Order: sequence, then C-alpha cells, then structure tokens
Amino acid sequence: KQEVTQIPAALSVPEGENLVLNCSFTDSAIYNLQWFRQDPGKGLTSLLLIQSSQREQTSGRLNASLDKSSGRSTLYIAASQPGDSATYLCAAPGDMRFGAGTRLTVKP
Amino acid sequence: DTGVSQNPRHKITKRGQNVTFRCDPISEHNRLYWYRQTLGQGPEFLTYFQNEAQLEKSRLLSDRFSAERPKGSFSTLEIQRTEQGDSAMYLCASSARTSGNSYNEQFFGPGTRLTVL
Repeated sequence: KQEVTQIPAALSVPEGENLVLNCSFTDSAIYNLQWFRQDPGKGLTSLLLIQSSQREQTSGRLNASLDKSSGRSTLYIAASQPGDSATYLCAAPGDMRFGAGTRLTVKP
Repeated sequence: DTGVSQNPRHKITKRGQNVTFRCDPISEHNRLYWYRQTLGQGPEFLTYFQNEAQLEKSRLLSDRFSAERPKGSFSTLEIQRTEQGDSAMYLCASSARTSGNSYNEQFFGPGTRLTVL
C-alpha cells in the first residue's frame, strides 16, 4: 500500500529565498505524482503533475522533480514571496494517497 | 466557472442528525472522488466513482456513510446519525480519462466543512 510522507511539517523562510519541499513515497511503481497548494479552510489547488515517465515539470517559479528509484519528489520554489504562504501537499493520485503537507510561511 | 463545486460550503448539525453533501464535478470528467480531511492532515480517501459505478470504498466509510452518483454526473455523500468524530472537511475531486485509458490529474472542489455539535 502506497504511503506518502512530507517532512518537515512546517517551514518558515524570509522573502526572496529559494526553497525545496520534500515528499517521500513507499511504492516505486507510482503512476504519477501531483503537488497541490491549500490555503486555510480552502480546497486543494493543483500545481504540477509529474507522469511516471517524466523526471520533472516546471510552472513559473515552481519546479517539481520525481525520482522513482529513491521514492522521492521535490518541489522547488524560486524567489519566494509572502503570497506563497500556504500548505503544500504531494499525492500519488492514482493510489488516492496524500501526504500531510508542509505548512510554508514566507516572511516579508 | 467550470471547476468542481460543492454544496453546502458549511454545515452545522447536532449529533444524531443526518446530513447530505453534493458535488458537481467538471463536466467531462468520468471519475469522482470523495475525501475527508481533518486539521493538520492530508485528505483521506473515502470512495470513488467511474461514471455511475462506485468502484472502491475505504474502510473509513462506515455503514453510516453512503455515496451515490446516479446519472454519472453529480454525486451525493450522506452521513446518517452523525457523531462528533465526523466533524471534518469533506472534499470532492474529479479527473478525466486520458488517452491510454488512464486517469491523471485530480481537481478539487472548495470542500464542505461539517461541524457536529
């Protein structure tokens, strides 16, 4: 059974810093991996989807990578802004399994 | 707005009452998923439909929970005899079949916040 883990649970950085969020999964046969953003009390907003045949995807200041052999994915956020403050979740959508998220705070 | 919609957005009920939530997926999406999320946790899978067929149910979905998608379009999730432990955000998502008969990206609605007093 696929398990998805995100560490740390919370992260605080100053504005402008580049940062990396981590996601681990247990089953390397993962079909694809999806990153989401969630603001307090809101639903999940899809950020990036990485297919199993891909190694990375980019959207604006976001870059996500997938390494199936090591069971890891990272979300890189460049030049962080206060508006990036939110909880970021990764998921194996094919298995309907989600991590608990990393709560990011970007301080002005 | 062509995204996933959920109603109501908030529901406060007394223990023992029945509640029903509705989800309208993105129109061309075949699959519809229900999740439950509690504070500080990721969404937990409850059940999903492909068209009108309910293909999988989680062990979290006790016999007090029932979900339907009668015409393969909108779906309802009913909780009977609510308990305080049912208080959570109930999220709905949908996905489309792509070429190769696979289902990829999930799109979520805003959720229904249930509070059981």
